[in-house]
Amino acid sequence: DGGITQSPKYLFRKEGQNVTLSCEQNLNHDAMYWYRQDPGQGLRLIYYSQIVNDFQKGDIAEGYSVSREKKESFPLTVTSAQKNPTAFYLCASSMEGAANWEKLFFGSGTQLSVL
Amino acid sequence: DAKTTQPTSMDCAEGRAANLPCNHSTISGNEYVYWYRQIHSQGPQYIIHGLKNNETNEMASLIITEDRKSSTLILPHATLRDTAVYYCIVRGAFTGGGNKLTFGTGTQLKVEL
Repeated sequence: DGGITQSPKYLFRKEGQNVTLSCEQNLNHDAMYWYRQDPGQGLRLIYYSQIVNDFQKGDIAEGYSVSREKKESFPLTVTSAQKNPTAFYLCASSMEGAANWEKLFFGSGTQLSVL
Repeated sequence: DAKTTQPTSMDCAEGRAANLPCNHSTISGNEYVYWYRQIHSQGPQYIIHGLKNNETNEMASLIITEDRKSSTLILPHATLRDTAVYYCIVRGAFTGGGNKLTFGTGTQLKVEL
């Protein structure tokens, strides 16, 4: 079945440590996105990528980094510079183009906590 | 992108219609209305979208007022599995920069027996 897979489901980070969240999709979607969600809040965009080897900062990119070396993969690294990383992280993808513009497909999320 | 206003929470009896309102009084002519929902601890799920005509699919109906300043998402026969946070989003199509939808805090719909 086609879909978008995030791993791990739960992740713990020690102080000063970088951690990487995985996001893989087999939907052949062009665009991929990372959102952060804090308890009781909406989603905030961290980074997005419309095409391989290109990505753009979202609203809260500081302390995060991404890469887009393959169409199906968009990993997110939470660096030690992100001082408040505890949150629920959601990856999404979408097709670009008139008929598919509006539909984001989301993964099931990764809950990151700081030890 | 136009700002949206939704009630914080709503209750609905199972089997009844759930009508979720959204106010978007500053919407411009090329902006669409999108609805997503998020069940607890899962990723959001696309429901429906529209520009000015009413829309219906297998999940819901979307009613947009003639002046487009507000809309209502209708779940015709709500079930317990429809308990979720519902997000109303307004976004212009083809505005470039990817499909950067802004998710606010939405409406927490609780469907009860």
